[in-house]
Amino acid sequence: GENVEQHPSTLSVQEGDSAVIKCTYSDSASNYFPWYKQELGKGPQLIIDIRSNVGEKKDQRIAVTLNKTAKHFSLHITETQPEDSAVYFCAASKRGSGNTGKLIFGQGTTLQVKP
Amino acid sequence: EAQVTQNPRYLITVTGKKLTVTCSQNMNHEYMSWYRQDPGLGLRQIYYSMNVEVTDKGDVPEGYKVSRKEKRNFPLILESPSPNQTSLYFCASSFPGTLQPGELFFGEGSRLTVL
Repeated sequence: GENVEQHPSTLSVQEGDSAVIKCTYSDSASNYFPWYKQELGKGPQLIIDIRSNVGEKKDQRIAVTLNKTAKHFSLHITETQPEDSAVYFCAASKRGSGNTGKLIFGQGTTLQVKP
Repeated sequence: EAQVTQNPRYLITVTGKKLTVTCSQNMNHEYMSWYRQDPGLGLRQIYYSMNVEVTDKGDVPEGYKVSRKEKRNFPLILESPSPNQTSLYFCASSFPGTLQPGELFFGEGSRLTVL
């Protein structure tokens, strides 16, 4: 089955710097890659996602890139702010007919943005 | 307000004492799922339900039961809790549409400690 590896497990950056979190997946049939942000005491919340027919997607300060050949995808946060401090999860799934679309999550990355 | 509500949020119990964690969503979602979150292991799926009366095992179903008698409710039952079920539990729901599942909406979590 699918396996998703996420690195690093913790990341500390200065406010204003960029942060990058990387994930690799094992199942080449996976075609949907969301990223979730979990703030302290809250449930995870979708912040951005990408499908396998796209190489990059941006939404203001966050972007996700996908390399299907290498089977890895990354989350990029630019101009980090203290409110970006949270746990980030990547995930992968196979969406479409005949699939449950079950999400397999990475291990999570705790991002700390220092003021 | 659209939300997934879990209860209780915090619970300390003893080995063998049956407990139920309730989950309710008000978004008319067909898909519901339970996850447990453990340090270094990310989010692992326990059970999921594609619709009323349809449930299936996730990756870590041992020691858990679920039921889906109504669309909005998806309780998680621990018949005989053990210390290795000490964890943070999340319920999530989604409206799958034609590609399943869609964005997952998570509850705020239930922290369970089994002594």
